[in-house]
Order: sequence, then structure tokens, then C-alpha cells
Amino acid sequence: GENVEQHPSTLSVQEGDSAVIKCTYSDSASNYFPWYKQELGKRPQLIIDIRSNVGEKKDQRIAVTLNKTAKHFSLHITETQPEDSAVYFCASTSGYSSASKIIFGSGTRLSIRP
Amino acid sequence: ETGVTQTPRHLVMGMTNKKSLKCEQHLGHNAMYWYKQSAKKPLELMFVYSLEERVENNSVPSRFSPECPNSSHLFLHLHTLQPEDSALYLCASSQDPGGQGYEQYFGPGTRLTVT
Repeated sequence: GENVEQHPSTLSVQEGDSAVIKCTYSDSASNYFPWYKQELGKRPQLIIDIRSNVGEKKDQRIAVTLNKTAKHFSLHITETQPEDSAVYFCASTSGYSSASKIIFGSGTRLSIRP
Repeated sequence: ETGVTQTPRHLVMGMTNKKSLKCEQHLGHNAMYWYKQSAKKPLELMFVYSLEERVENNSVPSRFSPECPNSSHLFLHLHTLQPEDSALYLCASSQDPGGQGYEQYFGPGTRLTVT
């Protein structure tokens, strides 16, 4: 079946350094790729997303890149801060309605070292 | 709490019990979702309802039975659960965009323990 692979499962970086999380997907019909952040004991929240007609999107310290040919997309966090510590989930969706199929990656636990 | 609410927040039940989880969204969305979150599978989609009709059922055991009486409310009825069903159950909602992409708004979850 369709799946999304996410790497690494855990990531520890020094405060101020950059962090990169990568995902690959298998469904060639995927057209929307959101990233969710889940802090400890809290609900997942969308932090950035990208659509299949765009190669890169930035929002302050966060950026996402998409390579449709290779079927992978990545989350980049620059100048990391303690509040960036959380679990990050990538996802891919196909379809054009709320009935669209969404598949989440297995998550990356990011820790920021002071 | 606004947005998406879930009750109860914590539930302990025996394997022979019957209980229900409730989700309510105050965002005017027309799609709702149930997810199971555990250490083994961090975010596992269980059911999707769009315009109150079930459109996705990811091979979930019949001991889980969803119900969506209207676009604002979603239930998950539980009966004869197994200990491996212990997990955090998250509800989410979204607006059908009629186009590409949509954000899902998650509730705080119900922490379920099956004894």
C-alpha cells in the first residue's frame, strides 16, 4: 500500500544550528504535503505546508522543499531554539476534497541542546 | 476551549465495557477524522467523515464503531476492547476546500487505557 517514510526518527541539534527532516512518499498522485508539530502533551498543529505545483516555501525560520520527481520533501529549521523541541510529522495527501487520503510519516523527535 | 474539543480526556475501561468518545468542532468544518496515536504507530488514521458520510475506514476492527450525526459532532463507540487498544485517540476536523490541500485541526485527545 501507499506509505510515507520519515527520517530520522530522532534528531538532536545544538541551539542555533539547523535541523533537517526528510520524507519520501510512494503515491504519485499526492498533491499536498503538510508538516505538523506536536509538543509534549499537546495536539499536533500545522506549521507549514506545500502543494505539488511549488518547489519551495518559507515561513521565517521554517522552510519546506519538494522534489516531485524523486518523491521526497524536507523540512528545514534554521537558527533552532529550545521551543523547537517537539515531534514533527510529515504527511502526504492525494485527492481534492476532505475525503482525500492522508498518510502520516512515523515522526521525528527533535531535541534542541542548550 | 475552542476549536476542536474531546471528552473525556482520560478513560480507563475493562475489556468487557462499552464506552463512547465524543468530539465536537466549533469551526464550521464539514469533515471530521479519528486517529489513533501510540508508540508503535504515531498517527494512524482510523475513520474519515465528509459531509456526515463515512469516506474512509482503514481496516479498523469492528470493536470500534464511529458515528457522525452532524457535521459538528463525531463519536467513537468502543466495545470489547483489547489491551493493545490503549492509546491516545485524536479527533480532527477540516474544511473541504474544493481544491488542493487543507489543514486539519486536532482536538486534545482522549487517553484510553484498557485493563
